Amino acid sequence: DTGVSQNPRHKITKRGQNVTFRCDPISEHNRLYWYRQTLGQGPEFLTYFQNEAQLEKSRLLSDRFSAERPKGSFSTLEIQRTEQGDSAMYLCASSLMGEQYFGPGTRLTVT
Amino acid sequence: GQNIDQPTEMTATEGAIVQINCTYQTSGFNGLFWYQQHAGEAPTFLSYNVLDGLEEKGRFSSFLSRSKGYSYLLLKELQMKDSASYLCAATYSGAGSYQLTFGKGTKLSVIP
Repeated sequence: DTGVSQNPRHKITKRGQNVTFRCDPISEHNRLYWYRQTLGQGPEFLTYFQNEAQLEKSRLLSDRFSAERPKGSFSTLEIQRTEQGDSAMYLCASSLMGEQYFGPGTRLTVT
Repeated sequence: GQNIDQPTEMTATEGAIVQINCTYQTSGFNGLFWYQQHAGEAPTFLSYNVLDGLEEKGRFSSFLSRSKGYSYLLLKELQMKDSASYLCAATYSGAGSYQLTFGKGTKLSVIP
């Protein structure tokens, strides 16, 4: 499968714990995006990388969230001191030009 | 912000045609995307419109009017597997030009 992959697919954690998600984009795509989606809503932009540079970050992204793309290939999204409001589907997408291709997402449940 | 508005739910009959409308703010607008999302799955790309007019791709067509801030997705010969959420998303120039701004999605139910 040469599409976008994300791990883990599901994560259940207790409030206050840290979690990290990984995204592997389509190999030739230099742009990588993170979105968050809650039930009944469209995906909401979190952050964007071009190669290894983080070029855009949503104002909605609190300082508990950090993302990296160290070698311009895979990316990680870390959430520190998780809160129940962080429960959502975290989607990664990659692109070369216009259309963004989404991965299957990581569903986070904070108990 | 750049409000993207689309109906919450629609129902249509198998074999019929359905049109899902989307309106967006025109200031700084670049292009309009449509994605399909089945429950519990990732969005999959359907279409991308930059210029005015209709783009046809098999059973699915997408229309854009830049001056009116309006787009629609047309699904023909509906099949049961078309039951899904359809997401309208726009990109805007300037800061944030690569991010997709999504509407809440239109949940389409196809009935026999």
